[in-house]
Amino acid sequence: QVQLLESGGGVVQPGGSLRLSCAAPGFSFRSYGLHWVRQAAGKGLEWVAVIWYDDSQENYADSVKGRFTISRDHSNNMLYLQMNSLRGDDTAVYYCARDPFYGGLPGALDFWGQGTPVTVSS
Amino acid sequence: SSELTQDPAVSVALGQTVRITCQGDSLRNSYPSWYQQKPGQAPVLLIHGNDNRPSGIPDRFSGSTSGKTGSLTITGAQAEDEADYYCNSRDSVDNHLIFGGGTRLTVL
Repeated sequence: QVQLLESGGGVVQPGGSLRLSCAAPGFSFRSYGLHWVRQAAGKGLEWVAVIWYDDSQENYADSVKGRFTISRDHSNNMLYLQMNSLRGDDTAVYYCARDPFYGGLPGALDFWGQGTPVTVSS
Repeated sequence: SSELTQDPAVSVALGQTVRITCQGDSLRNSYPSWYQQKPGQAPVLLIHGNDNRPSGIPDRFSGSTSGKTGSLTITGAQAEDEADYYCNSRDSVDNHLIFGGGTRLTVL
């Protein structure tokens, strides 16, 4: 059974760092790209980052480029998001999501975790 | 960067048909995917690759694209379809994903 289980969210001061984790048991980890998508309270979905199915690329939204790093560990089917220099507008629920890379390109997120909340506040 | 525009709110009478649209230049090169999100829950993929439904998605949900406008059609809306609906696509220049602002569907 496919599962995506996020953890690592919490309260952090502006300028601080946080690392989110997403456990991904139950499917062939190497066959899928993985994304982080966030949603501020009462707002819409915002794409954050993707790591490609073959690890050939990482892509980042302009709003987080240079501050966030996506990575994954194939040995334990884990996805990570290292978040540095956090700002108030990074406050959101962060979801990890799986992407089958139909046609070899990112786009359709076919399974989502339940999200982990991040609050950036002093 | 590219944007996707959705109507903020749409309503439909129970059992009737409703179309939710998504507009953006990226749709000329990349089919939209559509997601349903209910309060307190994670999004669920409804449609990908223009009109492909994942297993378990009712066939009252369908998709189409014309030019730079993508559409999600619900034929025979049910009370449980009341939710937020989001489109997304890929920017062909930098492979960034783009989400529309979402449409809140009310079933009357």
